[in-house]
Amino acid sequence: DAGVIQSPRHEVTEMGQEVTLRCKPISGHDYLFWYRQTMMRGLELLIYFNNNVPIDDSGMPEDRFSAKMPNASFSTLKIQPSEPRDSAVYFCASRPGQGTEAFFGQGTRLTVV
Amino acid sequence: GDSVTQMEGPVTLSEEAFLTINCTYTATGYPSLFWYVQYPGEGLQLLLKATKADDKGSNKGFEATYRKETTSFHLEKGSVQVSDSAVYFCALSDLGSGGSNYKLTFGKGTLLTVNP
Repeated sequence: DAGVIQSPRHEVTEMGQEVTLRCKPISGHDYLFWYRQTMMRGLELLIYFNNNVPIDDSGMPEDRFSAKMPNASFSTLKIQPSEPRDSAVYFCASRPGQGTEAFFGQGTRLTVV
Repeated sequence: GDSVTQMEGPVTLSEEAFLTINCTYTATGYPSLFWYVQYPGEGLQLLLKATKADDKGSNKGFEATYRKETTSFHLEKGSVQVSDSAVYFCALSDLGSGGSNYKLTFGKGTLLTVNP
């Protein structure tokens, strides 16, 4: 398996624009997570899915953020409108079940100018 | 709620020095414990894990023992190399109340720099 695949690897956008980050989890993994990493806050869990259903979105910072998982092999994280404070590295991770380790993608470095 | 506390960095060592990165946790259930490593520009990779008390996880010369009595999972390596320079994260996965919590909770990370 190729692992968790995220795209794009880098994104530079202007404030106010819509940004969509994409993730393909490892096949057969039931859980998918979106994390955000910044120097100030470290690694923050934004939302996670189980069998394509959002379970906990309490980490989503505000209504500008939304995430979907239309099927078992694809998820998106959308920011609309984007703001400079959204600049961070966004990671997607998947895991096969409870108590197991999560496998991380390479991340998307988002810069909002 | 669940939480992970790990020692503040950065940690700077000379090659072949002994490494300890402390990690303690708070959990409502009986968690699985993990150490992840993040090299510059990359995602997090699992370094080692332990799923029950007194288990010792080990990989690439790193070790950590699950200590339920002290709620700790300290990372150690007897002789570090320059290539070990990275950020290290302690994490837990807890079933929580009712077995409905499957998320991973991470510490803030510890930056390790090893000089030749």
